[in-house]
Amino acid sequence: QVQLVASGGGVVQPGRSLRLSCAASGFIFSTYAMHWVRQAPGKGLEWVAAISFDGSTETYVDSVKGRFIVSRDNSKNTLHLQMNSLRVEETAVYFCARSTPRSIAAFDLWGLGTMVTVSS
Amino acid sequence: QSALTQPRSVSGSPGQSVTISCTGTSSDVGTYNYLSWYQQHPGQAPKLIIFDVSQRPSGVPDRFSASKSGNAASLTISGLLAEDEAEYYCCSYTGTDVYVVFGGGTKLTVL
Repeated sequence: QVQLVASGGGVVQPGRSLRLSCAASGFIFSTYAMHWVRQAPGKGLEWVAAISFDGSTETYVDSVKGRFIVSRDNSKNTLHLQMNSLRVEETAVYFCARSTPRSIAAFDLWGLGTMVTVSS
Repeated sequence: QSALTQPRSVSGSPGQSVTISCTGTSSDVGTYNYLSWYQQHPGQAPKLIIFDVSQRPSGVPDRFSASKSGNAASLTISGLLAEDEAEYYCCSYTGTDVYVVFGGGTKLTVL
């Protein structure tokens, strides 16, 4: 079954760290660029980070640069997002998403998301 | 990079057509034909329904169509069904480190 399953969310205090994971199955993970997209409660979608198919290139939204690190382990079909110095306003559901090979900027497969709550 | 502009809500009756607009700038929507649309039901992950301005992924009914002109794009849903009631987001490639930017979302209510 083609799917993405995100995990690792939870409640964390401001300034602390959290590492999210996204397990891929049912497709050749190592051939797809991958992304993280977040959605604050009751709000819209915000793209957070992307990593190329081979992990050689990473890119981030300005607000997380220097604090978040996206990585992947193609041998384990897993995507990660290391989130450091978390802020209250980063409370959101974090989705992992796959780039469609048919376009450079569309996401054709999404995980269910994992909730991150940043609160003291 | 600012979010794309969408109406907060639209509504229509079953069988009717509705159009959702999406306005960007000459730096994103106006420059690139990498404009996509997503449907999101409550508590679910978004689903890709349009990519590259007007292309439908396999399995998406042809009741969903989309286009772009200048800095603005639109999604039209014809023959509305109750199941179309959802939030809809547009998304554009930016050509910068901020890879894509999303619209604020439009809540479609089927009356």
